[in-house]
Amino acid sequence: QKEVEQDPGPLSVPEGAIVSLNCTYSNSAFQYFMWYRQYSRKGPELLMYTYSSGNKEDGRFTAQVDKSSKYISLFIRDSQPSDSATYLCAMRGGSTLGRLYFGRGTQLTVWP
Amino acid sequence: DTAVSQTPKYLVTQMGNDKSIKCEQNLGHDTMYWYKQDSKKFLKIMFSYNNKELIINETVPNRFSPKSPDKAHLNLHINSLELGDSAVYFCASSQNIKNNEQFFGPGTRLTVL
Repeated sequence: QKEVEQDPGPLSVPEGAIVSLNCTYSNSAFQYFMWYRQYSRKGPELLMYTYSSGNKEDGRFTAQVDKSSKYISLFIRDSQPSDSATYLCAMRGGSTLGRLYFGRGTQLTVWP
Repeated sequence: DTAVSQTPKYLVTQMGNDKSIKCEQNLGHDTMYWYKQDSKKFLKIMFSYNNKELIINETVPNRFSPKSPDKAHLNLHINSLELGDSAVYFCASSQNIKNNEQFFGPGTRLTVL
């Protein structure tokens, strides 16, 4: 079993839809949870970062962490064609300095 | 004013050859990384250097050898290339070893024929 599981999709939604992206993990030591966005033929870029459980909102994006279920989510409201990309979850424990464990990414297409 | 740059962007080579990929960051970061992204988009760390010191060395064949001449540079040399080495290799950097935000380069797409 991989440390981090993520459905690769692809996911295709119309513009304006609410998108839900999810990851599950097995290592209860993970404390830091991130979402990276990767456009085609580009490197990943950090979108959101959460420590421990709870919610975090940034504009149209909301990240949720449920440590009891080992489940994290990213919600995108009012999705736009420019949101079309691969979204990778990433996480690490408090002691695994610098070592991020990535999900394999979910490919999202938002069509106009 | 590219933050993390890699050269070359594309690399096509024959099996058995030796090749190098170069990475430079101008962010003043202490920590640099090499990742491999396979055809299924799975991104896996290979190496990490902090202030020129190797701190993460995942289970990769010893044909792969990283070199950090200074904090701003982390190069990757690959000996005796194999078909399975075909992938996109990303360099990344972070402010320090505890920082979660890693800045990625544009990637080097390696194809071994």
